[in-house]
Amino acid sequence: DTGVSQNPRHKITKRGQNVTFRCDPISEHNRLYWYRQTLGQGPEFLTYFQNEAQLEKSRLLSDRFSAERPKGSFSTLEIQRTEQGDSAMYLCASSLASGYSTDTQYFGPGTRLTVL
Amino acid sequence: AQSVTQPDIHITVSEGASLELRCNYSYGATPYLFWYVQSPGQGLQLLLKYFSGDTLVQGIKGFEAEFKRSQSSFNLRKPSVHWSDAAEYFCAVGAEYGNKLVFGAGTILRVKS
Repeated sequence: DTGVSQNPRHKITKRGQNVTFRCDPISEHNRLYWYRQTLGQGPEFLTYFQNEAQLEKSRLLSDRFSAERPKGSFSTLEIQRTEQGDSAMYLCASSLASGYSTDTQYFGPGTRLTVL
Repeated sequence: AQSVTQPDIHITVSEGASLELRCNYSYGATPYLFWYVQSPGQGLQLLLKYFSGDTLVQGIKGFEAEFKRSQSSFNLRKPSVHWSDAAEYFCAVGAEYGNKLVFGAGTILRVKS
């Protein structure tokens, strides 16, 4: 069990550029979550997958954001036409769950995005 | 919809002193409650969780928390704080039939020697 990993750890980009982040969950975990954390705030839910199916998306996830988990393993989060307001820490978490109950989520180190 | 309030933005305690971080939640059904800790620039580490059963739960690093349904609270405690406990602490609630966590705004703990 190597934990949840995220790449890159830091990303600096110019406004209007596209960026993509990757998350590798704990092996065998079937659920994968994305959260966004801005300075001085707690993480806010963006979206989650069970296996390869994206089951819920927050209203925070505008049309410029897209997430995939093509084979039910790693996931990518892409932001198109970045804006300065997208600057935040993007956190990934994974869990092993069955049914519909709440489960324990384990977080990765995050990707810090800075949009200039 | 569920929500979490952490009333204290910053807390400073002396090394060796006891600690209590407050957390109040709002949720109509049985809550699933968590405490996470975050060091600067890092992800979140799970300290402890409450799903059901004994209302006093033990976690890692000597932390414990008590669920009080009548007060809608899940306060985190530690009898003797170490300098390495300085970090930001987040309380979170999960819905019984939902999967996302709703977090409070966090409490920054400073430990003075």
